[in-house]
Amino acid sequence: GQNIDQPTEMTATEGAIVQINCTYQTSGFNGLFWYQQHAGEAPTFLSYNVLDGLEEKGRFSSFLSRSKGYSYLLLKELQMKDSASYLCAVVSNDYKLSFGAGTTVTVRA
Amino acid sequence: ETGVTQTPRHLVMGMTNKKSLKCEQHLGHNAMYWYKQSAKKPLELMFVYSLEERVENNSVPSRFSPECPNSSHLFLHLHTLQPEDSALYLCASRQASEANTGELFFGEGSRLTVL
Repeated sequence: GQNIDQPTEMTATEGAIVQINCTYQTSGFNGLFWYQQHAGEAPTFLSYNVLDGLEEKGRFSSFLSRSKGYSYLLLKELQMKDSASYLCAVVSNDYKLSFGAGTTVTVRA
Repeated sequence: ETGVTQTPRHLVMGMTNKKSLKCEQHLGHNAMYWYKQSAKKPLELMFVYSLEERVENNSVPSRFSPECPNSSHLFLHLHTLQPEDSALYLCASRQASEANTGELFFGEGSRLTVL
């Protein structure tokens, strides 16, 4: 089975940095995705990690440690539009993605 | 616009009704998915079709019946549902490959309410 854990909620101030952690225990591992989902909208792709290390893409960065079963998504210079749910998803084989429950990030002025 | 279109966006049905959700992808992908999203819960994988063949059926009750007539279309037929089936049903597509880097592209979802 798959077990993917991430915090339920996080709150931060505009301009600040927030780190969303994701730990996983899966029957196989072929990569980890982070998705962003605004209320009432479809999830959209943010990042993909399959090797250990940090992937940086503008204000967002994603880190992976396969030996620890751990990833984080780092959001820098927070903006109000970053208020959304952030979903961690693990690829266990060539077609199966399993998701965490999502972390709702609220950005305050 | 993600290239994955779902209809209807909202559906209200009684427990004795029969209805269908439709998904169409214009991305040339080889795998299509149905997920159920309930509040505060992980996305639940329901069905996966790869090259029009069902490769995953995640212990979903038989009142949900998927159909994949071709690689671009996916249906979810609904029959005698229960109120606890009320949720957002998300369709997604992906180009599954050995590299496994293919991201999921989601539709906007169909919000289902069962009375």
